[in-house]
Amino acid sequence: AQSVAQPEDQVNVAEGNPLTVKCTYSVSGNPYLFWYVQYPNRGLQFLLKYITGDNLVKGSYGFEAEFNKSQTSFHLKKPSALVSDSALYFCAVRALGSSNTGKLIFGQGTTLQVKP
Amino acid sequence: KAGVTQTPRYLIKTRGQQVTLSCSPISGHRSVSWYQQTPGQGLQFLFEYFSETQRNKGNFPGRFSGRQFSNSRSEMNVSTLELGDSALYLCASSTLEGHEQYFGPGTRLTVT
Repeated sequence: AQSVAQPEDQVNVAEGNPLTVKCTYSVSGNPYLFWYVQYPNRGLQFLLKYITGDNLVKGSYGFEAEFNKSQTSFHLKKPSALVSDSALYFCAVRALGSSNTGKLIFGQGTTLQVKP
Repeated sequence: KAGVTQTPRYLIKTRGQQVTLSCSPISGHRSVSWYQQTPGQGLQFLFEYFSETQRNKGNFPGRFSGRQFSNSRSEMNVSTLELGDSALYLCASSTLEGHEQYFGPGTRLTVT
């Protein structure tokens, strides 16, 4: 069965410091991985994706993620955190198979708190 | 392009009633997926529609159903509402070839 784990319920960082939000996955075959962010009372916003190619993926708002196949991880990173980055972050994997194109499996989410 | 829109944004219903939620995808997107978000269960996949056909279904009871129209707009229906159906219902659309999904703001359903 495919699954995604986000081991930290909450990550606290000071503004200006680098941030990392962790994600590990379990899939058979090559994974399609995604990061989304959710602000209060809002839907999910797409940040970035890994399909194939370079292991370092750059996305919106200065975020990037590193795909590590041997560690089955896809950690989200940002060199310098902003207070406005404070939100709920979700890692997701796309279910495999042509009939599962529209099915994403999400991790439980990590709350990022950036303090001034 | 306009984003994914969902109506209504908020809804309060009573146990036993039924409810219909609507989703308009981004223009040109033919795939629409629905998710339920709750504090306890997180984000769970309900179903996906593509070209008016249900392509995939999650592990939800038959009280949850959906459909898609020829213009790709989608509706989901929940019959015989239970307190546990209180959740944020999110709709997402994507292109045939695209991998990422674009989400609407959600419909907050409260069942009393």
